[in-house]
Amino acid sequence: DIVMTQSPDSLAVSLGERATINCKSSQSVLYNSNNKNYLAWYQQKPGQPPKLLIYWASTRESGVPDRFSGSGSGTDFTLTISSLQAEDVAVYYCQQYYSIPITFGQGTRLDIK
Amino acid sequence: QVQLVQSGAEVKKPGASVKVSCKASGYTFSSYYILWVRQTPGQGLEWMGVIKPSGGSTGYAQNFQGRVTMTRDTSTSTVYMELSSLTSEDTAMYYCARAWGDHAPFDFWGQGTLVTVSS
Repeated sequence: DIVMTQSPDSLAVSLGERATINCKSSQSVLYNSNNKNYLAWYQQKPGQPPKLLIYWASTRESGVPDRFSGSGSGTDFTLTISSLQAEDVAVYYCQQYYSIPITFGQGTRLDIK
Repeated sequence: QVQLVQSGAEVKKPGASVKVSCKASGYTFSSYYILWVRQTPGQGLEWMGVIKPSGGSTGYAQNFQGRVTMTRDTSTSTVYMELSSLTSEDTAMYYCARAWGDHAPFDFWGQGTLVTVSS
């Protein structure tokens, strides 16, 4: 199984500041034949299911604000929120869908400082 | 609009089985895979398996092999997940979600079904 490890486990950022969450996979999730990274990011708010934010490591899902961006390739990935808003308080998960079983990171809790 | 509506919360005794439903609407049922994910405080998000509504083929996570069965009813656009031999460690929120393929992100999720296993 591919193990997904996020860092940090939690962080607090001031409103309007940048938030950065990292995700590392135990093996590459880059599929060479199409040059796509099979990596997604989700946001989960209390009492709600996860919501897809980013897929293919850097493609923003329709309707997701452009302050959210994803980067990275191979085994190392980053989710960046360029200017933190109050509604961004949530737990964020990375996920690899390169191989079965599909696996998730342990989550990163993001709060307002 | 796309909806995945799951059945209500369940309380089961150890050793029992639970069957959770996930009714899809707002899109072509046969065009998307349905995945099941469970969430516990200790284990986080755990992929349980997948069913392809067109044809009904399934794939299960090794951790659940022999205990989980996923089926679908195309006449009602509903997918079912049955988990047997329940223990307290199966107490969790269970989600269905859809994806355009078996190697694709989960672009829409059900609201979740809380299953509590307690004697």
